[in-house]
Amino acid sequence: KQEVTQIPAALSVPEGENLVLNCSFTDSAIYNLQWFRQDPGKGLTSLLLIQSSQREQTSGRLNASLDKSSGRSTLYIAASQPGDSATYLCAVKGKSNFGNEKLTFGTGTRLTIIP
Amino acid sequence: SQTIHQWPATLVQPVGSPLSLECTVEGTSNPNLYWYRQAAGRGLQLLFYSVGIGQISSEVPQNLSASRPQDRQFILSSKKLLLSDSGFYLCAWSLGSGMLTDTQYFGPGTRLTVL
Repeated sequence: KQEVTQIPAALSVPEGENLVLNCSFTDSAIYNLQWFRQDPGKGLTSLLLIQSSQREQTSGRLNASLDKSSGRSTLYIAASQPGDSATYLCAVKGKSNFGNEKLTFGTGTRLTIIP
Repeated sequence: SQTIHQWPATLVQPVGSPLSLECTVEGTSNPNLYWYRQAAGRGLQLLFYSVGIGQISSEVPQNLSASRPQDRQFILSSKKLLLSDSGFYLCAWSLGSGMLTDTQYFGPGTRLTVL
């Protein structure tokens, strides 16, 4: 059974700092890994998707890495801004017991950027 | 472009009452559709998955059911709500290409409170 863990559960940093969010998963048989952002009471917004054959993806100030063999991914946010405050969720795609695709989510890291 | 809609946005229902949450997708055909639940302090849990009209896979046994009466319509239902059904319900879609590397796109969610 796939388990996804995100550490820390909450993080507060001053504006302008660079930061790293961590995600680990127990089953390396994944198809891809996705980082999402969730604002309070809102749905999920996809930030970056890394295929299992890739090592990293970049979008603007965001960089996500994937080490499938060790079951780890990081989300690097450069020059943080107050608008980056949100909960960040990591999810891995694998196969469910029914053979269908299944996303398994971590519980998220709540990020607060202090102006 | 594709869009996904969920309604209602918020719902307060008494224990034992019925439930019907609706999700529709625009701008794509034959999508894979998903229902997730996000309970307080827990990660997102996949409830149901559908690859086509009338085809529903259930990930976990529970008090809820799902139906897909039309290609781009996904409905989550219950005959009698339990307190434990409270949570944030998210609908998602992905391309029905069979590619396990496809990303999932999420709707805005429905906040359900059962009293």
